[in-house]
Amino acid sequence: DAEITQSPRHKITETGRQVTLACHQTWNHNNMFWYRQDLGHGLRLIHYSYGVQDTNKGEVSDGYSVSRSNTEDLPLTLESAASSQTSVYFCASSSDRQDTQYFGPGTRLTVL
Amino acid sequence: RKEVEQDPGPFNVPEGATVAFNCTYSNSASQSFFWYRQDCRKEPKLLMSVYSSGNEDGRFTAQLNRASQYISLLIRDSKLSDSATYLCVVRGYSGNTGKLIFGQGTTLQVKP
Repeated sequence: DAEITQSPRHKITETGRQVTLACHQTWNHNNMFWYRQDLGHGLRLIHYSYGVQDTNKGEVSDGYSVSRSNTEDLPLTLESAASSQTSVYFCASSSDRQDTQYFGPGTRLTVL
Repeated sequence: RKEVEQDPGPFNVPEGATVAFNCTYSNSASQSFFWYRQDCRKEPKLLMSVYSSGNEDGRFTAQLNRASQYISLLIRDSKLSDSATYLCVVRGYSGNTGKLIFGQGTTLQVKP
């Protein structure tokens, strides 16, 4: 069955380290999104991509980067992890811009 | 002011009760509206889209009032399995952006 996966599911890292969170979907969806979820804020968009080689900044992009070298993957990189980036990160994908977004299971990141 | 606002609750109701959640959005140009459901520590999943004419899916009824920029979700005959957080979601301001704006969610606890 087609699906969207994230790895790792849990990660503990130290301030200042570079961290990469993986997102992989097998639906062949053009659109992929990264969100973070924090208490009191709901889900906030970090970066998104509408296709290979396309990336765009979302609402809370500072300190994060993405690259889209193929349809299936949109890795999220924290260049220098900060404690404020402790959060739950969700990846999502959709087949077109108006279609339903399907979410991955999430990655719980703790920055000490 | 947040772009999408919800009463975070929690709403504690007995099985069989009817419960209603409300949501307001700030941008009058918003085009599409949804309710997502999120179980504890899991990913959000689409519950239903919200149409101007109102729509029903079993025990769930969603309504949209564009003039008041207000969205509602009514759950009838609540089940224990309805316990979750319900996210009000609004798409886009103009054009074909595909970006979703999430409310912080309303938590429902259905008690036996």
